[in-house]
Amino acid sequence: DAGVIQSPRHEVTEMGQEVTLRCKPISGHDYLFWYRQTMMRGLELLIYFNNNVPIDDSGMPEDRFSAKMPNASFSTLKIQPSEPRDSAVYFCASSPVRGDIQYFGAGTRLSVL
Amino acid sequence: DQQVKQNSPSLSVQEGRISILNCDYTNSMFDYFLWYKKYPAEGPTFLISISSIKDKNEDGRFTVFLNKSAKHLSLHIVPSQPGDSAVYFCAASENSGYALNFGKGTSLLVTP
Repeated sequence: DAGVIQSPRHEVTEMGQEVTLRCKPISGHDYLFWYRQTMMRGLELLIYFNNNVPIDDSGMPEDRFSAKMPNASFSTLKIQPSEPRDSAVYFCASSPVRGDIQYFGAGTRLSVL
Repeated sequence: DQQVKQNSPSLSVQEGRISILNCDYTNSMFDYFLWYKKYPAEGPTFLISISSIKDKNEDGRFTVFLNKSAKHLSLHIVPSQPGDSAVYFCAASENSGYALNFGKGTSLLVTP
């Protein structure tokens, strides 16, 4: 398996624009997680899904952030409108079962100017 | 509020010596702890884990120690190799699953 695949790897956009980050989890993994890494806060969980259903979105910072998982092989994290403070590296991770190891993608580095 | 803390942002060790990375946590409900390693421009990769029912877990050159009373865990790398140079994240979870709470990481540099 190719592992967790995220796209794009880098995204530069202007304040106010919509940004969509994409993730393809490892096939057969039932859990999908979105994390954000910043210098100030480190790696923090934004939201996670189990069998395509959002379970806990308490980490989503604002209503500007939304995440979907329309099927078992695809998830998106959308920021609308984007702001400079959203600049960070966003990671997607998946795991086969509850409590198992999480496998991370390479991340998307987002810069909002 | 950071529930998992790695108070040393960086550590430098000579090749062949022992590297000790430390991690403290505040949530007594955490029962599963992991270490991840991260190279630049890559995602974190799992290294080793330990359940709260154990106080030590070993995997090759890597050993994790857990001191529940002190809410402290450490990762020992013996012997350290230049390829071990990376950022190491400590993580913890409640109920053996769900969300991981990460520390901010310690950057390890192993010099030849």
